[in-house]
Amino acid sequence: DQQVKQNSPSLSVQEGRISILNCDYTNSMFDYFLWYKKYPAEGPTFLISISSIKDKNEDGRFTVFLNKSAKHLSLHIVPSQPGDSAVYFCAATYGNNRLAFGKGNQVVVIP
Amino acid sequence: DGGITQSPKYLFRKEGQNVTLSCEQNLNHDAMYWYRQDPGQGLRLIYYSQIVNDFQKGDIAEGYSVSREKKESLPLTVTSAQKNPTAFYLCASSLTGFNSPLHFGNGTRLTVT
Repeated sequence: DQQVKQNSPSLSVQEGRISILNCDYTNSMFDYFLWYKKYPAEGPTFLISISSIKDKNEDGRFTVFLNKSAKHLSLHIVPSQPGDSAVYFCAATYGNNRLAFGKGNQVVVIP
Repeated sequence: DGGITQSPKYLFRKEGQNVTLSCEQNLNHDAMYWYRQDPGQGLRLIYYSQIVNDFQKGDIAEGYSVSREKKESLPLTVTSAQKNPTAFYLCASSLTGFNSPLHFGNGTRLTVT
């Protein structure tokens, strides 16, 4: 049973515009959420995280929003750049339990 | 330059042979992990180790084995018992455990024919 779901597997966006990636989770125990970015044939790289005591965390062009009541988080990338073209994975955990990963969203930024 | 090194990047084996994938980290992280990625799938946890000489099965451990004899290394052996071994294998480490960000290597693409 998939505890972290990323719908809309792919997203195309014009350079300079906003990319919004969504992630839904089912386990209300989750209290730490992460986003990873992955290029083909490479390992994922950590992008940004948020703990459940916050509803927003910002790092440069990347902002993650957490809506605990809706069990939903989103990643905003603004402005989008061609180098942002990658697969983005959402992940969640609580305590020191195993990370649950979503299946990923492909983002294509069109120059 | 700290990081995680996986070798080789591409590996080819005949069916029925065991094969060992190497993973070394110089980040001084306590925890290390092996994940598998298949097309259209997320990352699935094979094994993890939070301390030297200790490791735990992940969600898909059948047909795999690991050892953690030193902090820097977590080699993964893919045995002939693994039914579908062809995949992209990712090693990762983190400072403490799952509650700290994972740092991934660049992966090993294993093809078994």
